[in-house]
Amino acid sequence: NAGVTQTPKFRVLKTGQSMTLLCAQDMNHEYMYWYRQDPGMGLRLIHYSVGEGTTAKGEVPDGYNVSRLKKQNFLLGLESAAPSQTSVYFCASKSGTGGPNEQFFGPGTRLTVL
Amino acid sequence: GENVEQHPSTLSVQEGDSAVIKCTYSDSASNYFPWYKQELGKRPQLIIDIRSNVGEKKDQRIAVTLNKTAKHFSLHITETQPEDSAVYFCAASGFPGSQGNLIFGKGTKLSVKP
Repeated sequence: NAGVTQTPKFRVLKTGQSMTLLCAQDMNHEYMYWYRQDPGMGLRLIHYSVGEGTTAKGEVPDGYNVSRLKKQNFLLGLESAAPSQTSVYFCASKSGTGGPNEQFFGPGTRLTVL
Repeated sequence: GENVEQHPSTLSVQEGDSAVIKCTYSDSASNYFPWYKQELGKRPQLIIDIRSNVGEKKDQRIAVTLNKTAKHFSLHITETQPEDSAVYFCAASGFPGSQGNLIFGKGTKLSVKP
């Protein structure tokens, strides 16, 4: 039981390049989330999904896209990376409505955009 | 929307002393308040949470108190140990339109000196 995993762990991009971050969970959770963490800013929600095939915008969605084609996977895409997107990205998941409220986080992806 | 303020941003205590971290929230409809601990380079992990129908909750050396009237909640750690050193985040959820999403405070870096 791996919980929440993220790929890759580290990545360096040049401005304008694209990439996809993969989040996978094996807990059969309905809800999945993408956060970014910047020094002194806490965790800010980028996008989230309340079930397979659904996505919604969070607090800071600009410059990112997401997809949830399979229940266990949640992908975060950067189409044209900018230095302002340098951050640590965390994925999280939790049970659906009526289940426990705890969000389980992945180990994070450290992204640097030059 | 909901806004969560967290104080202090840094806190240094001697081993064995108590530590208190306070958070205020803006939306009186919020009804779920978790606390996450993040050790250096690691993922955030839930340490305790409280719902709005409860005023206090304890788990060994940690406790959380909630004052709904004043819209603030606090984390109390007693008999602090060096392994308590980490960044602590409070969060709020349950406000209208939240879909269970968490709004996080900006974090408190706790240092416990031996």
